[in-house]
Amino acid sequence: EAGVAQSPRYKIIEKRQSVAFWCNPISGHATLYWYQQILGQGPKLLIQFQNNGVVDDSQLPKDRFSAERLKGVDSTLKIQPAKLEDSAVYLCASSLGPDGRGESREQFFGPGTRLTVL
Amino acid sequence: DAKTTQPPSMDCAEGRAANLPCNHSTISGNEYVYWYRQIHSQGPQYIIHGLKNNETNEMASLIITEDRKSSTLILPHATLRDTAVYYCIVRVVMNYGGSQGNLIFGKGTKLSVKP
Repeated sequence: EAGVAQSPRYKIIEKRQSVAFWCNPISGHATLYWYQQILGQGPKLLIQFQNNGVVDDSQLPKDRFSAERLKGVDSTLKIQPAKLEDSAVYLCASSLGPDGRGESREQFFGPGTRLTVL
Repeated sequence: DAKTTQPPSMDCAEGRAANLPCNHSTISGNEYVYWYRQIHSQGPQYIIHGLKNNETNEMASLIITEDRKSSTLILPHATLRDTAVYYCIVRVVMNYGGSQGNLIFGKGTKLSVKP
């Protein structure tokens, strides 16, 4: 079974530039997550999609970050304009939707995109 | 904020059991204990989860105290490839796809397995 795919793996930009990350979840996974992981910390959830709808974006800095999952499959996360503090690894994860009893399923993570803002 | 407390680092000799503790004294009745690990330069990987009974799978065993306020992840025969950051997370599971069951990661325990 193919895992969660992310690209690019690495990106270096200057502050105030724009950047976009792409994620292709595991086939059939209805739920998709974007996390930000700053060096030395655990991942922090930015946004959660269920199919093509947003479930939770409470931690997404909406003045500069945006994300979409138009067809309910792959997703893009964009930062515009980038700041120095956006330097981090951006992780995408996916899971099956809740089962018939409403129970959440295990999340599978991609390898991440390491962003460096200079 | 994460609802768990873990030691920042631990060492273990290769071939020995690694016992990683986690304190979750404020856990609610509907919250499960989950463990993930993150090997360097990779995304987190699910290991195991449990509610109140001890659990075992091909990767590890999870021992949860009777009062559910703490747990221990056991890697029975640690190898060099088990060197990673291990995250203990408490999580509402029955959330019908809502956000209240989302994973909230702390800083985890950095386990170093030494030859």
